[in-house]
Amino acid sequence: AQTVTQSQPEMSVQEAETVTLSCTYDTSESDYYLFWYKQPPSRQMILVIRQEAYKQQNATENRFSVNFQKAAKSFSLKISDSQLGDAAMYFCAYRSALNAGKSTFGDGTTLTVKP
Amino acid sequence: EAGVAQSPRYKIIEKRQSVAFWCNPISGHATLYWYQQILGQGPKLLIQFQNNGVVDDSQLPKDRFSAERLKGVDSTLKIQPAKLEDSAVYLCASSAGWADTQYFGPGTRLTVL
Repeated sequence: AQTVTQSQPEMSVQEAETVTLSCTYDTSESDYYLFWYKQPPSRQMILVIRQEAYKQQNATENRFSVNFQKAAKSFSLKISDSQLGDAAMYFCAYRSALNAGKSTFGDGTTLTVKP
Repeated sequence: EAGVAQSPRYKIIEKRQSVAFWCNPISGHATLYWYQQILGQGPKLLIQFQNNGVVDDSQLPKDRFSAERLKGVDSTLKIQPAKLEDSAVYLCASSAGWADTQYFGPGTRLTVL
């Protein structure tokens, strides 16, 4: 079974600074997808960024980028130029390319942005 | 485009009572998911449907939880009888296909007293 570990329960960053959230996962599969989701307080979970395991190039979405290290089974999220609206719980998730895409989530990192 | 709809948003029940949650996915989405999110934890997949067939229900406590997806569209999740440990947010999500982006609903917050 796959597991996803987020070792930082809480992180804080100063507005306009850069922060990196860590995620490691364990799998025996070679083909899979990795995701970062954002869940603001009392609001819906939304997708931040997606990475296909077969792609060597790290995914980027505006101020959000990932550092995908397949051999190390590491998938960190970097948020540049942090904004107050970035404050939320961030979840790392693994989706199998087999098993009809069964998803496994980490327990999340709460990000606080200080003005 | 309308998002994933869930109802009710909040529910408080006594232990041993039954409860049902409803989900209406994004139109045209074939894959529907129910997750349980206990406070302080990440979502845990309970059941995944592809159209009206079950793809994965390995983590569904089948002695008390049941789910169905009527005509491959709406879905209901039922708990009977509820236990204290079932207190959680129940999230519904849908995607066009299993490899596509999942869109989440607002969730139903269940409190079991």
